[in-house]
Amino acid sequence: AAGVIQSPRHLIKEKRETATLKCYPIPRHDTVYWYQQGPGQDPQFLISFYEKMQSDKGSIPDRFSAQQFSDYHSELNMSSLELGDSALYFCASSLGGVPETQYFGPGTRLLVL
Amino acid sequence: GQQLNQSPQSMFIQEGEDVSMNCTSSSIFNTWLWYKQEPGEGPVLLIALYKAGELTSNGRLTAQFGITRKGSFLNISASIPSDVGIYFCAGQPWGAQKLVFGQGTRLTINP
Repeated sequence: AAGVIQSPRHLIKEKRETATLKCYPIPRHDTVYWYQQGPGQDPQFLISFYEKMQSDKGSIPDRFSAQQFSDYHSELNMSSLELGDSALYFCASSLGGVPETQYFGPGTRLLVL
Repeated sequence: GQQLNQSPQSMFIQEGEDVSMNCTSSSIFNTWLWYKQEPGEGPVLLIALYKAGELTSNGRLTAQFGITRKGSFLNISASIPSDVGIYFCAGQPWGAQKLVFGQGTRLTINP
C-alpha cells in the first residue's frame, strides 16, 4: 500500500539558510501534520492542514511556514535556519481530519551546520 | 500545556518475557494511540483506542484506554527480537487535531 512520501530524506544546510521540506500524503488523505523530533526526544507537533486550510498549530517558530496545495501535498518552509533546527521532521496524513488514523512518513533528517 | 508521562523510559528484557509500559496525564484525552519507532524511521501505529475502558489487541500487543481518560497501558506478550525499538504513547486532546506524545520507552531484548 502507498505510504506517506517525504523529500528530501536528508538535508544539510548552513546557518541562516532556508530549507523546504515536502510531504506527499497517502492517496485520498486530505489532512497533513508536521512534527519535529530532536535527538532522543518525542515528536513535537508543529502545524496541520485540513482541506488546504490550517487546522491546528503547535510550537512552530515564526521563521517556519507551511501550506497545503490543491493536490493535498504540503511544504514546510524554514528560513533563517539555526543550529537548534537540526532534527527529524515528520509528516503524517489522515483522512477527514481524524488524528487517530494518522500515518507517518519516513521523515526528513535536517542538519544545520 | 498537556503532557504525557510515559514509563519506564527503558527496559532490558530476555526474549520470551512479557512487557508492560504505561502512560498517564493530568489532562483528559479523547483518543490514545501507541506507536513504535525504529532508528531513522517514522512512528508506526500499533493500536488506537477511542473509548474509555476500551481494551484492544493486535496480535501479541494489548492496550487499554483508562476509564478516567487520563492514561493507557500497552502490554507485549512473549517478546521476540523484532520487538526492539522505541514505543510512544500519543494522545489527542479534546478539541484538537494534534497528537501529544509521551517521552517513549526504549525496549531492548537479549536473545
